[in-house]
Amino acid sequence: TQLLEQSPQFLSIQEGENLTVYCNSSSVFSSLQWYRQEPGEGPVLLVTVVTGGEVKKLKRLTFQFGDARKDSSLHITAAQPGDTGLYLCAGAADSNYQLIWGAGTKLIIKP
Amino acid sequence: GAGVSQSPSNKVTEKGKDVELRCDPISGHTALYWYRQSLGQGLEFLIYFQGNSAPDKSGLPSDRFSAERTGGSVSTLTIQRTQQEDSAVYLCASSYTVSYTGELFFGEGSRLTVL
Repeated sequence: TQLLEQSPQFLSIQEGENLTVYCNSSSVFSSLQWYRQEPGEGPVLLVTVVTGGEVKKLKRLTFQFGDARKDSSLHITAAQPGDTGLYLCAGAADSNYQLIWGAGTKLIIKP
Repeated sequence: GAGVSQSPSNKVTEKGKDVELRCDPISGHTALYWYRQSLGQGLEFLIYFQGNSAPDKSGLPSDRFSAERTGGSVSTLTIQRTQQEDSAVYLCASSYTVSYTGELFFGEGSRLTVL
C-alpha cells in the first residue's frame, strides 16, 4: 500500500519567517501535486512536479521533487498571513487515476 | 457554472435518516471523484467515475454508501441510515483528463452533521 507522510502536521509561525513542509514515501510516484485548502473551500492546485530533482517556484513558494521521486518539499520564504491554510500533497503512480493523499499540514501565519 | 458546484453546502440530519449530496462537475470533465474529509484532515477516497466505464467503488466505507452519475455529468452520493461517524465534509472533484498530471478541480464541499 502506497502512503504519503506529511510533516509537520501543524505549524504556527510569525509573519516573515521561513518554513518547509515535507511529503515522504517509500514508494515511487510518477508525479506529485501540492494543493492548498482554505477553510470552507475545496483544495486548489498549486503545482505539479513530474521529474526527479525538479524544482518549481511560485512567487515565494519553492517546490522540490526528490531525485528518486519518493519525496517532495514545499518551502515558503517570508511567510505572509495569506499563506495560512491546509497544505496537501498528493502522489500519482504511473497511469493510475488514483491519487494518494497526505494527511495535510495546517499552517497558521500570525501577523 | 465555471466551477464544480455542490449542494447542499450544509446538512444537519438525525441518526438513521438518509441523505443525498449532489455534485455538478465542470462541463466537459469526464472524470469525477468523491472524497470525504474529517475536520481539517487529509482526503479519504470514496468513489471514482470515468466516462461510461464502471465506477471504482473501492473506497466506499460500507454498503450504506452509494453513488451514481447520470448522463456522464451530475453525480449524487447517497448515505442511508446515517451514523454519527458519517459526519464530515464530502468533497467532489472533476478532471478533464485521466492522467497522472491531471489537475483536480474541487467543489466547496457539503458539510454533513449527523446528530
